[in-house]
Amino acid sequence: KQEVTQIPAALSVPEGENLVLNCSFTDSAIYNLQWFRQDPGKGLTSLLLIQSSQREQTSGRLNASLDKSSGRSTLYIAASQPGDSATYLCAGTGAGSYQLTFGKGTKLSVIP
Amino acid sequence: DGGITQSPKYLFRKEGQNVTLSCEQNLNHDAMYWYRQDPGQGLRLIYYSQIVNDFQKGDIAEGYSVSREKKESFPLTVTSAQKNPTAFYLCASSIGTGDIDTQYFGPGTRLTVL
Repeated sequence: KQEVTQIPAALSVPEGENLVLNCSFTDSAIYNLQWFRQDPGKGLTSLLLIQSSQREQTSGRLNASLDKSSGRSTLYIAASQPGDSATYLCAGTGAGSYQLTFGKGTKLSVIP
Repeated sequence: DGGITQSPKYLFRKEGQNVTLSCEQNLNHDAMYWYRQDPGQGLRLIYYSQIVNDFQKGDIAEGYSVSREKKESFPLTVTSAQKNPTAFYLCASSIGTGDIDTQYFGPGTRLTVL
């Protein structure tokens, strides 16, 4: 059964710093991958989707990459801002599956 | 505005009661999903539906039931058979279930058993 690990579980950085969040899958056969943001008590907001034919996606200050050979993904946040403070979740599907398997998330705090 | 709505935001249930959580979307999406989130845990899939009048069990379907009579609506009933229903429930939808499909989430319903 696919399991997803996100490291670190929590991260606190000063404003303006660049940072990397990590996600790894026990089964490296990841078909596609999504990164989400969740604010306290709220639903999830989709940030980036890496489709089966892609290795990387960028949106503004965010860049996500997926290494399918190792089953690892990273989310890079440039020039962090206090408004980036939230929990970040990664989720992936296997080939032929529509079901997303989620990690437990990384709680990010950006200190002004 | 297009999006997904869930109601109520907070719900309290007594032991032995069934309760129904509402999920509506106006995105014209075919696929809809229900997830459960517990503190410090990732989301777990309860049920999903790819098309009207069809739905499939996810990883933790026991004690839950769903219906999909309309494309826009996918209500979730938490039955008395669910032994630990206190959790945050999230509904999502996507265009379909292919590999290009981003899932969009509603704001969630927090269910507490008294």
